[in-house]
Amino acid sequence: DAKTTQPTSMDCAEGRAANLPCNHSTISGNEYVYWYRQIHSQGPQYIIHGLKNNETNEMASLIITEDRKSSTLILPHATLRDTAVYYCIVPPLYSGGGADGLTFGKGTHLIIQP
Amino acid sequence: DSGVTQTPKHLITATGQRVTLRCSPRSGDLSVYWYQQSLDQGLQFLIQYYNGEERAKGNILERFSAQQFPDLHSELNLSSLELGDSALYFCASSPGEGQLSSGANVLTFGAGSRLTVL
Repeated sequence: DAKTTQPTSMDCAEGRAANLPCNHSTISGNEYVYWYRQIHSQGPQYIIHGLKNNETNEMASLIITEDRKSSTLILPHATLRDTAVYYCIVPPLYSGGGADGLTFGKGTHLIIQP
Repeated sequence: DSGVTQTPKHLITATGQRVTLRCSPRSGDLSVYWYQQSLDQGLQFLIQYYNGEERAKGNILERFSAQQFPDLHSELNLSSLELGDSALYFCASSPGEGQLSSGANVLTFGAGSRLTVL
């Protein structure tokens, strides 16, 4: 996978927006940016993905810079339940059916403070 | 409930033994993935199956094997167990679309099977 760099940990106050950055300077033209999170000992959960344009769903927003070398995941109103490890992943492209196994790095441990 | 079912939820066994972990993918998904998560390590990709065939291999030990059956459920077999095999084992599934498709890497994970080797 294209190498991604994320801060090890971040704090955010409950009710505020949590902005999680990710650098992926070696991303190629057709590679997507994916975000997952893992709440302690639970299975990872898909959050959002994008290619070039900003994306929004019921969980979060994804802002990708114009040069696509970095992105920011935004949780608009963080709650205590959003405390988790957040992973930014850029899977490589292969031909054929099915995605290859995603490589989860160390991610960002986001702690929501009451 | 993610739609991916893993059994058993917890398993305690002894060194040298063999266990089988089972995964039923989300309805309609063709790809199944296995991951291992130890206390001191992150999520390690083990192996992937797509429509019954092995698709990709990660850091899977020779003592471990897996297969995907015609009904698309998958089993992960762990043999000659060692203390270091104690971990959470996650199964995930995806529709199995081509790589260039948006959403090709949207994986749905199960709740995991916690294996303790004593």
